[in-house]
Amino acid sequence: EAQVTQNPRYLITVTGKKLTVTCSQNMNHEYMSWYRQDPGLGLRQIYYSMNVEVTDKGDVPEGYKVSRKEKRNFPLILESPSPNQTSLYFCASSLYQGMQETQYFGPGTRLLVL
Amino acid sequence: SQQGEEDPQALSIQEGENATMNCSYKTSINNLQWYRQNSGRGLVHLILIRSNEREKHSGRLRVTLDTSKKSSSLLITASRAADTASYFCATVDGSGNTGKLIFGQGTTLQVKP
Repeated sequence: EAQVTQNPRYLITVTGKKLTVTCSQNMNHEYMSWYRQDPGLGLRQIYYSMNVEVTDKGDVPEGYKVSRKEKRNFPLILESPSPNQTSLYFCASSLYQGMQETQYFGPGTRLLVL
Repeated sequence: SQQGEEDPQALSIQEGENATMNCSYKTSINNLQWYRQNSGRGLVHLILIRSNEREKHSGRLRVTLDTSKKSSSLLITASRAADTASYFCATVDGSGNTGKLIFGQGTTLQVKP
């Protein structure tokens, strides 16, 4: 089944404790990105990747890192999480970056930073 | 940045009725997409309409696009309780080639059995 998977789905952590949220897609998509969703602010892009080893900042990259060593994986790294990073996170992918492409979203990761 | 507003913000109807949601956007677009989100869960892609299309159907969904008014509407016919969800329109940011989707604030639809 074609899908985008994220792990973990739920995570409670404490301030400063490094964590990684994994994202994997099995559709051979070149383009992947991360969004966060917050009440009143909607969905905002954190980082995106056009292809392997090509990543760039979205609208809200502060406090996050990403890597794209393999085409299928695009982990989101929080080196020192803070409470303002409590949010619902989504990974998305599409075949290419092009404007005509449908983006497919993962199920989301709900993060609480205490 | 938010692309625009969706109207209404919330909608409550009875099962079997039709639901119409509207979306406005600010910039020129190549396409507009509609997504559904069930209560804090993942976003599911519903339909994509290209800028040179005026109407598109998919099952019980009908989407229209008016580029002169920079607006789109999503009609769900013969609604079911399972259609209860939030619905978002999204456009691809055409300014920076980031592939970024710009979402509206969404319409929360409740379908009562």
